[in-house]
Amino acid sequence: DVKVTQSSRYLVKRTGEKVFLECVQDMDHENMFWYRQDPGLGLRLIYFSYDVKMKEKGDIPEGYSVSREKKERFSLILESASTNQTSMYLCASSLRANHEQYFGPGTRLTVT
Amino acid sequence: SQQGEEDPQALSIQEGENATMNCSYKTSINNLQWYRQNSGRGLVHLILIRSNEREKHSGRLRVTLDTSKKSSSLLITASRAADTASYFCAPTSGGSYIPTFGRGTSLIVHP
Repeated sequence: DVKVTQSSRYLVKRTGEKVFLECVQDMDHENMFWYRQDPGLGLRLIYFSYDVKMKEKGDIPEGYSVSREKKERFSLILESASTNQTSMYLCASSLRANHEQYFGPGTRLTVT
Repeated sequence: SQQGEEDPQALSIQEGENATMNCSYKTSINNLQWYRQNSGRGLVHLILIRSNEREKHSGRLRVTLDTSKKSSSLLITASRAADTASYFCAPTSGGSYIPTFGRGTSLIVHP
């Protein structure tokens, strides 16, 4: 079974802090994704990566950056956290870009 | 990017009844996927239906696709309380190859 793990289930950070969200998948998937989920807005794609060191902006990349130094790990970075980045963050991976995605359990981030 | 739009936004039924959720999209697709999300958890893939397929089954799930109407439906037969979750459709348009999720349908199945 594919397993996607995220470093934290719950995280509380202060405004202005640098925040790292880590995601690891164990099935050698080429593609990895970061989404944020907010009530009434559904899932919105922040960034995705189709290979090591490759990244593409999604629909809402502003305020975020990503890093993929190894195939199994995809990190989301909030350079200077703001309260409007309080959200549920979901990581996913897939073998091909348009194939089924496997999701991690999510990280609920609160920025105060 | 294209986004699926689920309808209704919320659905409340009794155990044993069937639940039908609909998804509409705007442009031609490569495939369309349905996912389930239990409260506070990640999404779980249910079914992928390709643009040249009209119907697919998986256990109590039945998905149909009508590309002429740019719509899909997810039917859950003989629903159970454990089916209580949010359901998302995610069409993949030919250009982007990335599934795009809608806002979801919140299903509550009363025991």
